[in-house]
Amino acid sequence: DSGVTQTPKHLITATGQRVTLRCSPRSGDLSVYWYQQSLDQGLQFLIQYYNGEERAKGNILERFSAQQFPDLHSELNLSSLELGDSALYFCASSVGTSGFTDTQYFGPGTRLTVL
Amino acid sequence: SQKIEQNSEALNIQEGKTATLTCNYTNYSPAYLQWYRQDPGRGPVFLLLIRENEKEKRKERLKVTFDTTLKQSLFHITASQPADSATYLCAPLNQAGTALIFGKGTTLSVSS
Repeated sequence: DSGVTQTPKHLITATGQRVTLRCSPRSGDLSVYWYQQSLDQGLQFLIQYYNGEERAKGNILERFSAQQFPDLHSELNLSSLELGDSALYFCASSVGTSGFTDTQYFGPGTRLTVL
Repeated sequence: SQKIEQNSEALNIQEGKTATLTCNYTNYSPAYLQWYRQDPGRGPVFLLLIRENEKEKRKERLKVTFDTTLKQSLFHITASQPADSATYLCAPLNQAGTALIFGKGTTLSVSS
């Protein structure tokens, strides 16, 4: 158990809908990262927050947004969902002082299925 | 564009042998390279980070090399065990450490 929690574990929705994925980092970690993993693209970095501020952005679509709250939990919002958004979404956390070279601890993931 | 390639086929080896996994990158000059292990349906687990000025790094039965001339990293598991069966991902990082690209992974199967 990494100490990172993600909810829900599974999510099934329809095209055009909007969903929110939630992540609670390990106690004491200030950085939260979001990743998308699909069979054809592999694991892709979406976005990083550090202590409430956006720190780095990867291949995140404009339909997706995220935020980190004062209690350090984070939410990833996916809107106007398309079939191609079906994937595993992982959250990771780290102490946050050294960027990506910090050890990241991954959560169990949320499996999103768009029908 | 930047490209990361790992052994495209699954790797099957006998228990006790050394497994060697390859990560090649093109159009990229990473300052660091990370290796992760991922089990089915679970999140990746960090294993090792190697810096561009380090040729080799070891941790227990794991060894990683980083050759910036060949643009390649090799990941070795010595005395492999069935419990080592998993998918292994490589992830080169740039100098700022703000871009993270993962390879698609190599699936290792160790049979007893």
